[in-house]
Amino acid sequence: NAGVTQTPKFQVLKTGQSMTLQCAQDMNHEYMSWYRQDPGMGLRLIHYSVGAGITDQGEVPNGYNVSRSTTEDFPLRLLSAAPSQTSVYFCASSYLGQGMYTEAFFGQGTRLTVV
Amino acid sequence: KNQVEQSPQSLIILEGKNCTLQCNYTVSPFSNLRWYKQDTGRGPVSLTIMTFSENTKSNGRYTATLDADTKQSSLHITASQLSDSASYICVVSARNSGYSTLTFGKGTMLLVSP
Repeated sequence: NAGVTQTPKFQVLKTGQSMTLQCAQDMNHEYMSWYRQDPGMGLRLIHYSVGAGITDQGEVPNGYNVSRSTTEDFPLRLLSAAPSQTSVYFCASSYLGQGMYTEAFFGQGTRLTVV
Repeated sequence: KNQVEQSPQSLIILEGKNCTLQCNYTVSPFSNLRWYKQDTGRGPVSLTIMTFSENTKSNGRYTATLDADTKQSSLHITASQLSDSASYICVVSARNSGYSTLTFGKGTMLLVSP
């Protein structure tokens, strides 16, 4: 059971380049989300999905796109990378719980540097 | 706006000593409160989750408390070990239409010194 797998672990981009951060989970979780973690700040939600074909914006969505074609995969696309997108990105997944709490599992993170 | 405040920002303790980390929150509607441990270069890993009706929950040497009236939580670490050196993040969950949104604190960076 691999849990939540993110690739790549490290990436350097030039300003204006595009790329996709991959996230896959093997726990059949409905809910998946992307966060960014910056120094001195808590994790901030970029986009999330409550199931295949359903996505929505979080707190800081600008400059990022997502799609959810399968339950397992939730890629994050940077359309035109900017230095402000230099950050550590985490993907997380959990079951949806009606009236109960659900554990969130995080990937190992992708450290992205935009120069 | 939902907010989670943690203190102290950083802490250094000697191996074997105890410590307590604090978390204050303003999150509505409250669903649950979680403490995560994040080792350097790794993703957060859950330590405890507490709902409104739970005052305390333990996970080995980690004990979390929750006072839902004052909207405060603490994480107590007993007999610290070098491996406890990490960032400890308080996360509060708000319930929205069947799923939860998470508000993260900035974390307390703990260094356990030999």
